[in-house]
Amino acid sequence: GAGVSQSPRYKVAKRGQDVALRCDPISGHVSLFWYQQALGQGPEFLTYFQNEAQLDKSGLPSDRFFAERPEGSVSTLKIQRTQQEDSAVYLCASSLSPPRAENYGYTFGSGTRLTVV
Amino acid sequence: KQEVTQIPAALSVPEGENLVLNCSFTDSAIYNLQWFRQDPGKGLTSLLLIQSSQREQTSGRLNASLDKSSGRSTLYIAASQPGDSATYLCAVRTSGTYKYIFGTGTRLKVLA
Repeated sequence: GAGVSQSPRYKVAKRGQDVALRCDPISGHVSLFWYQQALGQGPEFLTYFQNEAQLDKSGLPSDRFFAERPEGSVSTLKIQRTQQEDSAVYLCASSLSPPRAENYGYTFGSGTRLTVV
Repeated sequence: KQEVTQIPAALSVPEGENLVLNCSFTDSAIYNLQWFRQDPGKGLTSLLLIQSSQREQTSGRLNASLDKSSGRSTLYIAASQPGDSATYLCAVRTSGTYKYIFGTGTRLKVLA
């Protein structure tokens, strides 16, 4: 597609519910990132994929968070047993380059706003 | 550990003013730096990407400069318009890494 597509745009979950957030990157983009943005803050790194391989998940805040990209294209971020502190905007970004290429920036999607009540 | 700071946190100016947003970073060994715009409730739109070998980039009324040695970047907006009202985020990609570290942004309001 022309851009990074994320769905749903908004999600309201009851505390304890599981949620799944989808990211459809730009076709052919090797790198895919998930970021979490709390209200009034800058985005913070969650996890990184190069094709289907998850090379870094150091930013995932707990073992309730799980991400996958099984065919190296669409990615899903899953949050189990959601809690109020999980409320944030979840942003996905993709890039044409693998990590060692210096000169490419990232294209971000519009994000999924998750509210846990 | 790379840390990115943006000042001011918020800025309100009358229409037509030229303005400067500041970004500083602690580790000068970077691949590149990006400035993004974020409208309320929306995702990030990339404005300018400056590679480590460059000193500035321009796009329309926007000009971004980079001084790696001092760990600073500025975003200059000429002849500001109400439509420029948004949050502006600076993000740095440190050499040897693949992720961007973001500042907390500058919330800009341009008054008609």
